[in-house]
Amino acid sequence: RKEVEQDPGPFNVPEGATVAFNCTYSNSASQSFFWYRQDCRKEPKLLMSVYSSGNEDGRFTAQLNRASQYISLLIRDSKLSDSATYLCVVNRANDYKLSFGAGTTVTVRA
Amino acid sequence: DARVTQTPRHKVTEMGQEVTMRCQPILGHNTVFWYRQTMMQGLELLAYFRNRAPLDDSGMPKDRFSAEMPDATLATLKIQPSEPRDSAVYFCASGTGSFGTEAFFGQGTRLTVV
Repeated sequence: RKEVEQDPGPFNVPEGATVAFNCTYSNSASQSFFWYRQDCRKEPKLLMSVYSSGNEDGRFTAQLNRASQYISLLIRDSKLSDSATYLCVVNRANDYKLSFGAGTTVTVRA
Repeated sequence: DARVTQTPRHKVTEMGQEVTMRCQPILGHNTVFWYRQTMMQGLELLAYFRNRAPLDDSGMPKDRFSAEMPDATLATLKIQPSEPRDSAVYFCASGTGSFGTEAFFGQGTRLTVV
């Protein structure tokens, strides 16, 4: 079983819609969580960290559910520029290594 | 604007040739990662270093791949001999080395082995 699993999508949504997707992780010792964004043929870039209490950054909301071992990302009022692959990233306690999911592709159409 | 720098950006080589990829981490970052990305496998961790010492290279095929940090400003990834299945984008990333902090990626080296 992979350490981090994501629904690959694609999620194809109209502008202005809300889109949400999850990521599950297998290691209960995981401690830190992130969402990265990767545009086509570009490097991954940090979108936001995910905190235990959940957090928002503008139109983006991240949630963590430790009991069920998943994190989620919700995008409100989708923009064309939100079209990208969203990578779920997990870091274990006392480990520097970042484990990446395979990514969820989101396409926002006009 | 601090960034991770990778060279070359693109490399086309023939099977059997040696390939060397270089990475300059962000100044002050003491953790360096090498990832490989393909359509089939996604981002795979090949190796990572902390304070120039290799901590984990279990993701790397040892018979042909080697990773080093000759100094704090340079990390290298070598493939010898290269094979067509090595074709991928190789990313270097660096971080501050604190648990639970993010990594910053370079623009990658797109390697094609023919």
